[in-house]
Amino acid sequence: QVQLVQSGAEVKKPGASVKVSCKASGYAFTNYDINWVRQAAGQGLEWMGWLNPNTGNTIYAPNFRGRVTMTGDTAINTAYMELSSLRSEDTAVYYCAVDQYDSETFYSWFDPWGQGTQVTVSS
Amino acid sequence: SSELTQDPAVSVALGQTLTITCQGAGLRGYSVSWYQQRPGQAPILVNYGQNIRPSGIPDRFSGSTSGNTASLTITGAQAEDEADYYCKSRDSSGYHYVFGAGTKVTVL
Repeated sequence: QVQLVQSGAEVKKPGASVKVSCKASGYAFTNYDINWVRQAAGQGLEWMGWLNPNTGNTIYAPNFRGRVTMTGDTAINTAYMELSSLRSEDTAVYYCAVDQYDSETFYSWFDPWGQGTQVTVSS
Repeated sequence: SSELTQDPAVSVALGQTLTITCQGAGLRGYSVSWYQQRPGQAPILVNYGQNIRPSGIPDRFSGSTSGNTASLTITGAQAEDEADYYCKSRDSSGYHYVFGAGTKVTVL
C-alpha cells in the first residue's frame, strides 16, 4: 500500500539545522508532489511547502522562505526537508504528505501522510 | 492568520448531525479537502473535491461547497468522530496551500 515513513525524533540547539526524511513506498515516487506540514503542540496545521520529486522544483510558504530546503532522492524514493537557523518556535511535529493533484478536475488532496517527526529546539 | 476561517469548536449529541464550515475567498476558485486528526495521530483525509470520500471513510462524512464556504457534515455522529477537523485549500495567489485553524468536535 502507499506509505510514507519518516525519520525519528530530533533534538537540536537554537541556531542549528535539522533534516527530516520521508521514505515513500507503494507508488511511483516521481508522479506526485511531496508536501511538508508542521504542527506545534496544541496548535493547528501549518503548510511549509512542496517538492516535485521528478523535476526538483519547489514552492515554499512565505513564512519559511530562506530557511527551508526541500529535496528528493529518486534512487531511494525519499524526500527531505531541512530547516535552518532553528529557534524555540520551530519545536513541532513535522509531517510529509503526498499531494494527489488531479490536473483534470484541479482537485488536490493530501493522502497519505507520514507518521510525523518530533523536532525539539532547546538549549 | 489563516485565509480559511473555521469555528474553533462544535459539540454534538451521539447520533445527531453536525456541520463544520470553512470560509475563505479562495474557495470560490479552488477545491477544498478535509482532514480528521485524533490526539497524537497524523491527520487523515476524509473528504475532498465534490464530496469524494477515500476508501474506508464512512458515508456519514459528506462535503459541499457554496460560494466562499465549504462544509463537512457528519450525519449520525459516532464517538470515534471526536477529533480535530481541518480544511485545506489554496491561498489567493494560487501557488500556496493553506489550512484552516481547525474545529474541535466533541461528541456528547
